Amino acid sequence: GEDVEQSLFLSVREGDSSVINCTYTDSSSTYLYWYKQEPGAGLQLLTYIFSNMDMKQDQRLTVLLNKKDKHLSLRIADTQTGDSAIYFCAAVSGGYNKLIFGAGTRLAVHP
Amino acid sequence: DAGVIQSPRHEVTEMGQEVTLRCKPISGHDYLFWYRQTMMRGLELLIYFNNNVPIDDSGMPEDRFSAKMPNASFSTLKIQPSEPRDSAVYFCASSLRAVSTDTQYFGPGTRLTVL
Repeated sequence: GEDVEQSLFLSVREGDSSVINCTYTDSSSTYLYWYKQEPGAGLQLLTYIFSNMDMKQDQRLTVLLNKKDKHLSLRIADTQTGDSAIYFCAAVSGGYNKLIFGAGTRLAVHP
Repeated sequence: DAGVIQSPRHEVTEMGQEVTLRCKPISGHDYLFWYRQTMMRGLELLIYFNNNVPIDDSGMPEDRFSAKMPNASFSTLKIQPSEPRDSAVYFCASSLRAVSTDTQYFGPGTRLTVL
């Protein structure tokens, strides 16, 4: 089945760019997602990319997909303290109609 | 739309008691999912429904857990009897179409503490 892995922690300075990386195993995943979870809250859909795309930009967010390496990244430009949260990568488990989540990357933004 | 609604937001109970968590999906969504989030295991899919019918319950940890969806606007997750290791945040999510073609929207979660 699908396995999704992420680094657990990232610390950046306010105003810098953040890059959160994710790898997945199921090459048939159709959609790949990024969710954001703030303390005590549910998961908020940030953005997604369809598997036939290699890049998607949405304001400060850029998603890059390397299908060959099964690698997904989320870049946040001009990172702000309000971006501090846990970011989850998720991939559709192609044969099972399920969304498989990574462990989440905790992003800490400091002045 | 108000989004996915879950109740209660917090639940504290004693070991052995029955716990019922509730979820109202977004109107018109055909799929409903129950997840559990813990520090040790991350976010796990417990069960999902399509048009009120349970499709995959392979993530349900054991017989103490049961889920129902009596109609398109309501689902419950029941734990009986509850144990301390069930302490977690339980999320409900819904989507308009199948996971492979549509996005899931999450509720705020129910934080369950079993003493």
